[in-house]
Amino acid sequence: AQKVTQAQTEISVVEKEDVTLDCVYETRDTTYYLFWYKQPPSGELVFLIRRNSFDEQNEISGRYSWNFQKSTSSFNFTITASQVVDSAVYFCALSVGGSNYKLTFGKGTLLTVNP
Amino acid sequence: KAGVTQTPRYLIKTRGQQVTLSCSPISGHRSVSWYQQTPGQGLQFLFEYFSETQRNKGNFPGRFSGRQFSNSRSEMNVSTLELGDSALYLCASSPLGRGTEAFFGQGTRLTVV
Repeated sequence: AQKVTQAQTEISVVEKEDVTLDCVYETRDTTYYLFWYKQPPSGELVFLIRRNSFDEQNEISGRYSWNFQKSTSSFNFTITASQVVDSAVYFCALSVGGSNYKLTFGKGTLLTVNP
Repeated sequence: KAGVTQTPRYLIKTRGQQVTLSCSPISGHRSVSWYQQTPGQGLQFLFEYFSETQRNKGNFPGRFSGRQFSNSRSEMNVSTLELGDSALYLCASSPLGRGTEAFFGQGTRLTVV
């Protein structure tokens, strides 16, 4: 069975601070995919990034960056110079090779960025 | 390109009733998945349809069912509603391919009273 753990339930920062959201996953499959989604108050889950298990390259997209480490089964997400608009719930999710359309989500981290 | 559309956005039902939720995927996407989101259990997978066939099913009772039409639109039905069915129901569509990302709608907020 798959499992995703987001140990941080809530994080509060002041605008312009950097913040890292942690994600630890468990799976016995060798082929898997990791995702991050953002859920603003409107409810829609917004896709941010996808990584497959064979690509450990870190990725940067503007103020967002992701650190994937298979050795520690972690896929952490960093927001640099946070802004109020970054306030949302962030979910880490996992799907495995045989059922790629079934996502296993973590419980989410509520990020509040204060002005 | 239009996103995933879910209707209705809000719904209030009484215990024992049944409800049908609708989802129109992104044009060209043939896979549609449904998720239930509650404060206690978080986001849980309900089922996934592809080409009118259910391919994956989560651990939910038989009161939860779904279907997909030839135009890829999907509906989910919950019969004999219970208070615990109150949740945000999210639909997602995906293009073909392994590990492709799912695109979510804004959800239907169901309240059972």
